[in-house]
Amino acid sequence: GQSLEQPSEVTAVEGAIVQINCTYQTSGFYGLSWYQQHDGGAPTFLSYNALDGLEETGRFSSFLSRSDSYGYLLLQELQMKDSASYFCAVDEYIFGTGTRLKVLA
Amino acid sequence: NAGVTQTPKFQVLKTGQSMTLQCAQDMNHNSMYWYRQDPGMGLRLIYYSASEGTTDKGEVPNGYNVSRLNKREFSLRLESAAPSQTSVYFCASCRTWTSGNTIYFGEGSWLTVV
Repeated sequence: GQSLEQPSEVTAVEGAIVQINCTYQTSGFYGLSWYQQHDGGAPTFLSYNALDGLEETGRFSSFLSRSDSYGYLLLQELQMKDSASYFCAVDEYIFGTGTRLKVLA
Repeated sequence: NAGVTQTPKFQVLKTGQSMTLQCAQDMNHNSMYWYRQDPGMGLRLIYYSASEGTTDKGEVPNGYNVSRLNKREFSLRLESAAPSQTSVYFCASCRTWTSGNTIYFGEGSWLTVV
């Protein structure tokens, strides 16, 4: 079946850089997306990779390697407000298990 | 900027009752979706509608029905609610652009079935 695996939790300090990985077992998709979700809120779009390589959007970057069935989200200059859950998604159909990011002061 | 609006925000149902979750988007998107999210988990697709007049099953369609009333509105119906359907439900629409797709979510509907 199709699945996307992420680490359940990541902790980092304010100002640091953190990488959240997403490994998948699926094929034939158009792109890999990343979403942020604060507790009690709705997911919001962060980044999208249609092609292999790095996409940069401000403090957030996302990477995709189709040959390795792997992607990651990179968050730089971490802020307290970045404490949230992060999900990868294949097109609109399959979402990852989610990674809870805790940013410590 | 309304975006995606869904109602109700909170609902408690008794087992066997029926209800409809309403969703509307004002972004003129063709595709709309219903997801459910259980505690500590990712989103799972229930049903989607690629365009007005079409609907398709997602990963977890059992116990649900949908109606794409027009381009703006996409409703989700629980005919006979079960405790296993206690969850947070998100409606979404999708913008298709040259470099990919972006999903816009509603604020969520918290449903408890007792």
